[in-house]
This record gives sequence, structure tokens and C-alpha cells, in this order.
Amino acid sequence: DIHMTQSPSSLSASVGDRVTVTCRASQSISNYLNWYQQRPGKAPKLLIYGASTLQTGVPSRFSGSGSGTDFTLTINGLQPEDFATYYCQQSYRPLGLTFGGGTKVEIK
Amino acid sequence: QVQLVQSGAEVKKPGSSVKVSCKVSGDPLSSYAFAWVRQAPGQGLEWMGRIIPMIGTANYAQKFQGSLSITADGSTRTVYMELSSLRSEDTAVYFCARVGTGRVGTSSNYAFLEYWGQGTLVTVSS
Repeated sequence: DIHMTQSPSSLSASVGDRVTVTCRASQSISNYLNWYQQRPGKAPKLLIYGASTLQTGVPSRFSGSGSGTDFTLTINGLQPEDFATYYCQQSYRPLGLTFGGGTKVEIK
Repeated sequence: QVQLVQSGAEVKKPGSSVKVSCKVSGDPLSSYAFAWVRQAPGQGLEWMGRIIPMIGTANYAQKFQGSLSITADGSTRTVYMELSSLRSEDTAVYFCARVGTGRVGTSSNYAFLEYWGQGTLVTVSS
């Protein structure tokens, strides 16, 4: 299995801040990397696939980058509705789309 | 509009089995793969497995080999997840999701979980 590691596990930020979340794969996955947002009590929502392609309807303040083993999710100008937990997921092995452990973005 | 509607919460005894359903509306079942993901209380997301209803073949995460069965009924547009030999550690919210694919450049095989059910809480307790 491909193991995904996210850092940090949590962070505190203020509205308007730029936030960066990191995800590392245990082996090269090219750009087969997805990002999801999950608000409390809700199902996850797809934000980005292919490491950097924004899903339809996702605000442009979200962006993704990276290739190989190291990836980044950036939120430029954090909004109140962005306080949530973010997960990366590899899709290099489509039979087993494993997730990272999550990063909780909290209000400072 | 695609919707996935899951069955209600369950309380089960250790050692028993649970079967959760996921009814799909808006698109035929056969065109897509469907996956199951679970989330223990306060924990992250865990991939369990997936099925392609048109083929009928399911693939399971190694952890769930032997205890998990994912099936589909095209006539009712319903996908099922059955987990056996339940333990307290299986207490979690179970989500079904439709696997979508996207295009990046000239490649169109980028898989992701595009539509999700609302989740079903399964509590395992004696």
C-alpha cells in the first residue's frame, strides 16, 4: 500500500491568512493526488485532483502543487467557511485510494 | 443530479455483521465504480474497498480481506457494504462514494471520490 503522511496534523490561522498543508507519499505517485475538505458532521468534498486541477465550483483561493512524493495545498485568504479538516488521497493505485491522516485548520 | 442516500444508523453486538445500503439516483449504476470509506470517531478517513457494478468485481483494502463484502444491485441502483465479525474498533461512520474520473492534460484516468452519501453511523457495543 502507498502510505500518505500529512503535516501538520493541525494548525491555527486567522481569516485572511495564507495557509499551507503538506502531504508526502511513501513512493512516487506522479501527480495522482487529490485533496478533500471535510466540515464537522459532513461528508468530505473534493477540492483538487491531479495535484493541481480545481474541481468545478471550488473557489480559486484553493490551489495545489507538487509531483512525485511531495505535495502542497494552499489556501490564499482564509475564509470563515474554510475552517475544516483537509485530507490528501493518492489515486496512483486506483484499487486502493489511500488517505493521509488529515490536517485540521482551526480559528486562531 | 446525482445523489447517494444511505441507510440509517445501526447498533450491533461484537461478533455480528452489519449491512449498509447506498441508493444511487441521477445516473445508472453501471457506468461508475463505487467505494466505501469509514471514519472512526475523531479519526481520519479510511479506504475500505470499491466495486464496479457493471463488472461485479470488488476490490478490498488488505485490512478488510475476509471480513468485507461490497455488492451492487443494478435493478434497484443500490450498493451494499457488509462487514462481519464486528469489533468495537469498527464503530465508525461509513460513507459510500461514487468514483469519478477527470482529465489532466491528455490523460483522463485521474480517479477521485466525486459524490458522497451522508454517512451511516455503526456502533458496535455489547
